[in-house]
Amino acid sequence: DAGVIQSPRHEVTEMGQEVTLRCKPISGHNSLFWYRQTMMRGLELLIYFNNNVPIDDSGMPEDRFSAKMPNASFSTLKIQPSEPRDSAVYFCASSFSRQPNTEAFFGQGTRLTVV
Amino acid sequence: AQSVAQPEDQVNVAEGNPLTVKCTYSVSGNPYLFWYVQYPNRGLQFLLKYITGDNLVKGSYGFEAEFNKSQTSFHLKKPSALVSDSALYFCAVGARGTYKYIFGTGTRLKVLA
Repeated sequence: DAGVIQSPRHEVTEMGQEVTLRCKPISGHNSLFWYRQTMMRGLELLIYFNNNVPIDDSGMPEDRFSAKMPNASFSTLKIQPSEPRDSAVYFCASSFSRQPNTEAFFGQGTRLTVV
Repeated sequence: AQSVAQPEDQVNVAEGNPLTVKCTYSVSGNPYLFWYVQYPNRGLQFLLKYITGDNLVKGSYGFEAEFNKSQTSFHLKKPSALVSDSALYFCAVGARGTYKYIFGTGTRLKVLA
């Protein structure tokens, strides 16, 4: 398996533009996480899906952020409109257990810069 | 509240010397514990985990960690550090009955040649 695949690896966009980040989890994994990493706040959990259903989106910063998982092999995180404070590295991770008793596998991340 | 603490932002060690990266946790019940490593411009990579059983767990690249229930600690260790071990290390805890992994703030390890 190629692991968790994220695209794009880098995204530079202007403030106010819509940004869509994509994630393909590992086949057979039923849990999917979106995290944001910044120097100031470390790793923050944004949203958790189980069997394609959003279970907890309490970490989503505000209404500008939305995430979907239309099927077991694809998820998106959308920011509309984007703001400079959204600049961060966004990670997608997947695991095959609903409980955190097995490791999560992380993608390479998308480095987002909003200018 | 569940939490993980990595008290050192940075650890410096000479190549060939033993290294320790500290982690303490606070969680209800028995925890699931993990260590991850992050190299520059890469995602987090799993190193090792403690779920149950032997308190000393061995992982990738010669790393090991010891679960200490009384001290609520899970320190990462390696007998002989390599320059290539220089990276950012994250401790994480999962609480039974939840889905969440709680990550520490990370410790930057610098191994000096």
